[in-house]
Amino acid sequence: DTGVSQDPRHKITKRGQNVTFRCDPISEHNRLYWYRQTLGQGPEFLTYFQNEAQLEKSRLLSDRFSAERPKGSFSTLEIQRTEQGDSAMYLCASTAGPEAFFGQGTRLTVV
Amino acid sequence: GQNIDQPTEMTATEGAIVQINCTYQTSGFNGLFWYQQHAGEAPTFLSYNVLDGLEEKGRFSSFLSRSKGYSYLLLKELQMKDSASYLCAVNQAGTALIFGKGTTLSVSS
Repeated sequence: DTGVSQDPRHKITKRGQNVTFRCDPISEHNRLYWYRQTLGQGPEFLTYFQNEAQLEKSRLLSDRFSAERPKGSFSTLEIQRTEQGDSAMYLCASTAGPEAFFGQGTRLTVV
Repeated sequence: GQNIDQPTEMTATEGAIVQINCTYQTSGFNGLFWYQQHAGEAPTFLSYNVLDGLEEKGRFSSFLSRSKGYSYLLLKELQMKDSASYLCAVNQAGTALIFGKGTTLSVSS
């Protein structure tokens, strides 16, 4: 499979717990994006990597959110002390040119 | 910052033509994209415009006017499977791809 893969596809967690999501981009794609999407809304930008460097973070991203992309390959997004408002679909996308390819997302439910 | 506006919902019938408009305000414009997203699925790329004019790809066409900050997506010969959300996104130079809220298109028979 040469597409963008995300793991897990679904995550249910209790409020206050930490969660970590993984994204494996398409090989040799140097740019990787994380987005959050809630029902009826477009994807909301969270953060962006060029290779291993995190170039931009949304002002909406609280200190509870952190992302890494060691070695410029896969990326992880961690949410600490989850809140019910964090419930959403978390999408990863990678690109080497104009077109961004999206993974299937991780659906997070905080109960 | 960036501001991207598109209608929330549109309806159309099979076989018809529909135009979904998108207006944007941004600095350092580096291209405009249209994505299709079916419910519960990831967005998939439809089109990309970086210069003014019309780009045609089968039943789908996209138009861009940079001076007006305006784009539209034109869908011809509508099919039921075209029922989906259509996302307008703008790439600002050196930064991330920013999406509008999306337009939900419902195609009826």
